[in-house]
Amino acid sequence: AQTVTQSQPEMSVQEAETVTLSCTYDTSESNYYLFWYKQPPSRQMILVIRQEAYKQQNATENRFSVNFQKAAKSFSLKISDSQLGDTAMYFCAFMKYSGNTPLVFGKGTRLSVIA
Amino acid sequence: SAVISQKPSRDICQRGTSLTIQCQVDSQVTMMFWYRQQPGQSLTLIATANQGSEATYESGFVIDKFPISRPNLTFSTLTVSNMSPEDSSIYLCSVPGGTSATRGFFGPGTRLTVL
Repeated sequence: AQTVTQSQPEMSVQEAETVTLSCTYDTSESNYYLFWYKQPPSRQMILVIRQEAYKQQNATENRFSVNFQKAAKSFSLKISDSQLGDTAMYFCAFMKYSGNTPLVFGKGTRLSVIA
Repeated sequence: SAVISQKPSRDICQRGTSLTIQCQVDSQVTMMFWYRQQPGQSLTLIATANQGSEATYESGFVIDKFPISRPNLTFSTLTVSNMSPEDSSIYLCSVPGGTSATRGFFGPGTRLTVL
């Protein structure tokens, strides 16, 4: 079974600064996907970024980038130029490579961006 | 990308009653997933719903408590039966993805409060 661990229950960052959210996972699979989801108070789950395990290059999406370390089973999210709208719960998630499988989530990190 | 709608968006129910949550997807999908998110917690998979077969439930969730229907490839319902205050949660449906099976789309969620 897969497990996802987020060791930072809460974090805060000043507006315009950079923050890194940590995520580790455990799996015996060799191919898989990793995701970061954002959940604002509206409760809608919003996909922030995804990484395919077979790709060595770290994924980036505008201000969001990941540091994927496959051997260490680590998948951190870096948010650059933090904005007030980034305030939300952030969940790290794992999915098997087949695609038609559910996501396994970490416990989440509550991020507050301070003006 | 798939568009997923859920009804109701929220409800307040009395102990001992049942509530059926509907999930509609704008494209045909093989699998649909139902998650529960208890207050301040992460998402936990309740069951996987395949069209034309019985839903597959995760450990700790049973069909008598959470019956699921999947009458076609675009629709599913989750019923929360004989509710107690412990069932107060956000319930979300999810599909593996529209044109991409790796994106993991979510409905907007149903916020259930049981008094």
